[in-house]
Amino acid sequence: DTAVSQTPKYLVTQMGNDKSIKCEQNLGHDTMYWYKQDSKKFLKIMFSYNNKELIINETVPNRFSPKSPDKAHLNLHINSLELGDSAVYFCASSQASVWAEQYFGPGTRLTVT
Amino acid sequence: DAKTTQPPSMDCAEGRAANLPCNHSTISGNEYVYWYRQIHSQGPQYIIHGLKNNETNEMASLIITEDRKSSTLILPHATLRDTAVYYCIVRANTNAGKSTFGDGTTLTVKP
Repeated sequence: DTAVSQTPKYLVTQMGNDKSIKCEQNLGHDTMYWYKQDSKKFLKIMFSYNNKELIINETVPNRFSPKSPDKAHLNLHINSLELGDSAVYFCASSQASVWAEQYFGPGTRLTVT
Repeated sequence: DAKTTQPPSMDCAEGRAANLPCNHSTISGNEYVYWYRQIHSQGPQYIIHGLKNNETNEMASLIITEDRKSSTLILPHATLRDTAVYYCIVRANTNAGKSTFGDGTTLTVKP
């Protein structure tokens, strides 16, 4: 069973479109995260979220928004996509509202043309 | 979050111990040392973390110097599947903070 899963694995879309990436974890964790890995392989946190608080990295444009329908899911919505949004996006989860021992999904490669 | 410095690349012979260093001279008292790795095209994988005592688990050992300004991740018997980018991250164990993974060390295990 996959612990943290993401869909789709690949996403190719045009500038200006709105898209979503889904993430699900079956580990019973209460905190989930979204990371962005750019072409230089630099991995940067975008959001961390549990049922109590959303912590946003202030460098993330407000075109990006996390949506959590329940504790096992944290989806990433992106509005008005730009070329610079092309990257690999990773979802992760952890047991408690602390940063240690995160489990990462396989990643979604987003290409904006 | 404290800045870390790692060598960009290292080689290791299969079956030998791989010792990956990390410098974090500006580490604060409440900051932990974390190690993750990323095998090509996969999501990062947690390896180990520690505050000031040495730690060991089924994957690796973490040796932290007494002044906490540097640490070493040890893979006792490296295999070809350990070829990956290894990231040393220093930060408090909370969800605050930017939590950026640095450049990491590309470890290549050779037969």
